[in-house]
Amino acid sequence: QQKVQQSPESLSVPEGGMASLNCTSSDRNFQYFWWYRQHSGEGPKALMSIFSDGDKKEGRFTAHLNKASLHVSLHIRDSQPSDSALYFCAASEQSNYNVLYFGSGTKLTVEP
Amino acid sequence: EAAVTQSPRNKVAVTGGKVTLSCNQTNNHNNMYWYRQDTGHGLRLIHYSYGAGSTEKGDIPDGYKASRPSQENFSLILELATPSQTSVYFCASGDAAGGDTQYFGPGTRLLVL
Repeated sequence: QQKVQQSPESLSVPEGGMASLNCTSSDRNFQYFWWYRQHSGEGPKALMSIFSDGDKKEGRFTAHLNKASLHVSLHIRDSQPSDSALYFCAASEQSNYNVLYFGSGTKLTVEP
Repeated sequence: EAAVTQSPRNKVAVTGGKVTLSCNQTNNHNNMYWYRQDTGHGLRLIHYSYGAGSTEKGDIPDGYKASRPSQENFSLILELATPSQTSVYFCASGDAAGGDTQYFGPGTRLLVL
């Protein structure tokens, strides 16, 4: 069983809309979380990290972490067609934060 | 921007053959990683390294070996390739300090017949 679960598997939003992606874990040792984005034919690229409870905003992207429920979300405001990609949530333990466990991804399609 | 390159980009191998995938990074990062990506599984860690001469087992190391001869280079070796190892393989590098964001290469698509 994967340690990191993502939902939904796929998501379609209109251009200019809000996309919301979710990630949960069953491992209470996880303390650090990342969101990575992968465009077709490319390697994943880090979007943002979040290590503390609450919100973290970077431009149109906002991540929210609730360590008590081991839930992290990513919200993309004013979605653009270029945001269409596979989004991965990743988590690591405090004892070995270099080792990332990835979810299976959410495929986001932004329709013009 | 971090630079991680992989070779070859595509590889066709025969069952039982030896395959070596190479990775080079010019970021002077201490840590390097090998993942495989399969539909429905996301990215799974095979081996990683904290520096030249070191290799560590990740989540799915069986059937794979790794070699880190220098800071810049990290290889993944399949001594006896099997069709179940058909996948897309990604190498990444990361800085051990402050959170270790990982920078990925473009991937190698491996087909084992």
